Amino acid sequence: EPEVTQTPSHQVTQMGQEVILRCVPISNHLYFYWYRQILGQKVEFLVSFYNNEISEKSEIFDDQFSVERPDGSNFTLKIRSTKLEDSAMYFCASSELGAREFGYTFGSGTRLTVV
Amino acid sequence: TQLLEQSPQFLSIQEGENLTVYCNSSSVFSSLQWYRQEPGEGPVLLVTVVTGGEVKKLKRLTFQFGDARKDSSLHITAAQPGDTGLYLCAGGRYGGATNKLIFGTGTLLAVQP
Repeated sequence: EPEVTQTPSHQVTQMGQEVILRCVPISNHLYFYWYRQILGQKVEFLVSFYNNEISEKSEIFDDQFSVERPDGSNFTLKIRSTKLEDSAMYFCASSELGAREFGYTFGSGTRLTVV
Repeated sequence: TQLLEQSPQFLSIQEGENLTVYCNSSSVFSSLQWYRQEPGEGPVLLVTVVTGGEVKKLKRLTFQFGDARKDSSLHITAAQPGDTGLYLCAGGRYGGATNKLIFGTGTLLAVQP
């Protein structure tokens, strides 16, 4: 069964450093997303990406965050200057279309720890 | 801000018991999805319901979407230890181009053998 692949599975970084989280969505999917889940809290929407541009972003997704789909297969989330409160599980997801009806396929996540 | 509240927050039951998890909101959603998440993994889609009053069954799991499309329930019959996990409901909004989902607060289920 097709799956969404995320790397690395764990990342530890120092506060103020830049991190790039990588995702390979399912190949025929059209919509791509990043969500995060702080330990013990609910899954929160960060950003959605369609047709090579951001289609919606949350208030969490400030100027320190950016996304790219550099080569038609990878989908990356960059945090320019990490803060302690960025520590969380970051999930990439993709959907073929109409996620309201068909749902997402999530990756296994990257656990980011900022120290 | 649209919120989806799940209840109960935690549930510990014995194998063979039945249970119901509720997902409630004051907002209308065009669809309601249920996911299960295991520790260290991403959520896995169980079902999508799109029509008010719709009922879907997945083996021992029964999902219902409220008539007004503001709430949903998940009923598990004869729970098994393999059902243990975090159950998340997620609502899809009307309109918009992004297919963003709003996730619920989660119900952590532990089924004891």
